[in-house]
Amino acid sequence: AQSVAQPEDQVNVAEGNPLTVKCTYSVSGNPYLFWYVQYPNRGLQFLLKYITGDNLVKGSYGFEAEFNKSQTSFHLKKPSALVSDSALYFCAVSPYSGYSTLTFGKGTMLLVSP
Amino acid sequence: NAGVTQTPKFQVLKTGQSMTLQCAQDMNHNSMYWYRQDPGMGLRLIYYSASEGTTDKGEVPNGYNVSRLNKREFSLRLESAAPSQTSVYFCASSWDRGNTIYFGEGSWLTVV
Repeated sequence: AQSVAQPEDQVNVAEGNPLTVKCTYSVSGNPYLFWYVQYPNRGLQFLLKYITGDNLVKGSYGFEAEFNKSQTSFHLKKPSALVSDSALYFCAVSPYSGYSTLTFGKGTMLLVSP
Repeated sequence: NAGVTQTPKFQVLKTGQSMTLQCAQDMNHNSMYWYRQDPGMGLRLIYYSASEGTTDKGEVPNGYNVSRLNKREFSLRLESAAPSQTSVYFCASSWDRGNTIYFGEGSWLTVV
């Protein structure tokens, strides 16, 4: 069975500084990997995904994520944080082959201070 | 662009009452899902439907039933609500496995 770990419940960063939200995964074979964002009282919104190819994936709102197969990680990054980036971020994984649903991590709250 | 629409948005139930959460998507997606979100637990899959006519249990199916009414609609039923079912419920859809999942705005359910 696949699993996702987001080791930090909360990440604090000052506006203008780079941010990283960590994610590690466990899956049989190659993975599909996703990042979603949730603003208060809203549904989850898709940010980016890795299926195959370039290990650096660019997504919405200036976010990017780096796939590292040897470390089974898929960390979310942004060069310069905005206060409006403050939200709950979820990493998700499913195996590349065979039918399987996405498994989500428990989420990391990102707080960007002015 | 409606995307995934779920109703109701808020509901308060008494223990033992029943109710159905409705979900519809207008993206012609094959797969549909019901998740629940609880503080510190992330999202947990209740049931999913890989394609019209099929449904399967997810991680936390007990106390719930689902119906894939047609390709567009996927409902979640609580037959006898319990306080442990107090949660935020999300319906979602995707073309297929591995494709991006699109979420509805959520349904806040309180069971007293």
